[in-house]
Amino acid sequence: DVKVTQSSRYLVKRTGEKVFLECVQDMDHENMFWYRQDPGLGLRLIYFSYDVKMKEKGDIPEGYSVSREKKERFSLILESASTNQTSMYLCASNPPTNEKLFFGSGTQLSVL
Amino acid sequence: GENVEQHPSTLSVQEGDSAVIKCTYSDSASNYFPWYKQELGKRPQLIIDIRSNVGEKKDQRIAVTLNKTAKHFSLHITETQPEDSAVYFCAASINQAGTALIFGKGTTLSVSS
Repeated sequence: DVKVTQSSRYLVKRTGEKVFLECVQDMDHENMFWYRQDPGLGLRLIYFSYDVKMKEKGDIPEGYSVSREKKERFSLILESASTNQTSMYLCASNPPTNEKLFFGSGTQLSVL
Repeated sequence: GENVEQHPSTLSVQEGDSAVIKCTYSDSASNYFPWYKQELGKRPQLIIDIRSNVGEKKDQRIAVTLNKTAKHFSLHITETQPEDSAVYFCAASINQAGTALIFGKGTTLSVSS
């Protein structure tokens, strides 16, 4: 069965901290995505990647960066966390031949 | 870039009634339109999708219609059941490969028995 694993289910950080959210998939998928989910705003695309060391900006990349050094791992980095980045972060992946997204269980990040 | 509008934001129906959720998109290059269902505390799951060369697709009690000219698509759920209660998201692809998706803001469907 397809597995997309996000390293933390809940995370509490302080304003100004550098935060790393990790996502690992075991299906050898080329495509990986980071979304944030906020009540009433749906899922908003932050960054995505079609290949190792490749990244593209989504709708709301400001304040975030990503890293994809290995095919199975896609990291989201908050360079200096702010309270408005408190949110549920969802990682997803899919192969290039199938648009169906496989989501991780999410990381609820609270920035205090 | 692509923008997806979804309506209504909340929808309450009686068990057995039909439910319709509508979405519009802005980018005529979009060619893939999925619908995801998210139950409380769970991750989104794909329930049905449609491509731009198809006008309608059905899967048991759910169906999706697409009007490319008007750039809108709709989800239809017939004979609703309490287990249909969830948040539903429409989405549109933002590139020709069809893999990156822009989502609508979601519709909370409540089915009361």
